[in-house]
Amino acid sequence: KQEVTQIPAALSVPEGENLVLNCSFTDSAIYNLQWFRQDPGKGLTSLLLIQSSQREQTSGRLNASLDKSSGRSTLYIAASQPGDSATYLCAVNRDSGGSNYKLTFGKGTLLTVNP
Amino acid sequence: SQTIHQWPATLVQPVGSPLSLECTVEGTSNPNLYWYRQAAGRGLQLLFYSIGIDQISSEVPQNLSASRPQDRQFILSSKKLLLSDSGFYLCAWNGQVMGQTEAFFGQGTRLTVV
Repeated sequence: KQEVTQIPAALSVPEGENLVLNCSFTDSAIYNLQWFRQDPGKGLTSLLLIQSSQREQTSGRLNASLDKSSGRSTLYIAASQPGDSATYLCAVNRDSGGSNYKLTFGKGTLLTVNP
Repeated sequence: SQTIHQWPATLVQPVGSPLSLECTVEGTSNPNLYWYRQAAGRGLQLLFYSIGIDQISSEVPQNLSASRPQDRQFILSSKKLLLSDSGFYLCAWNGQVMGQTEAFFGQGTRLTVV
């Protein structure tokens, strides 16, 4: 059974700091990995998607890496801003690559960026 | 562009009452649809998924059921709610973006059973 763990559970940083969020998963046979952002009481916004054959993906100030063999992914946020404050969720697609897309989520990291 | 709608946004229901949450997707046909629940202190958990009309698979045993009466409509139901059914319910679909399959989520329904 796939299990996803995110560390730390909560993180508070001053504005402008670079930071790293960690995600680990127990079964390396994944199809892809997706990072999401969740604002309080809201749905999930997709940030980055990494296919199992890829090592990293970048979007603006965000960079996500994937080490499939060791079951780890990191989300790097550069020059953090108060607007980055949210819960960040890591999810792995545990299907073998067919049309289904069944995600296993971590519990998330609650990020607070202080002005 | 594709969009996903969920309603209601919030719901307070007494124990033992029925439940019906609705999700619709626009701008795509024959999507795979999913219901997830986010309970307090726990991660998001997949409850049901559907690959087509009247084709529903359950991931976990529970007090809930799902139906898909139309291609782009997915409904989550219960005949009698339990306190443990409280949580944040999210509908999702997966689609292709720039050649890659990606999951997209609705805005969620906050259900409180009292």
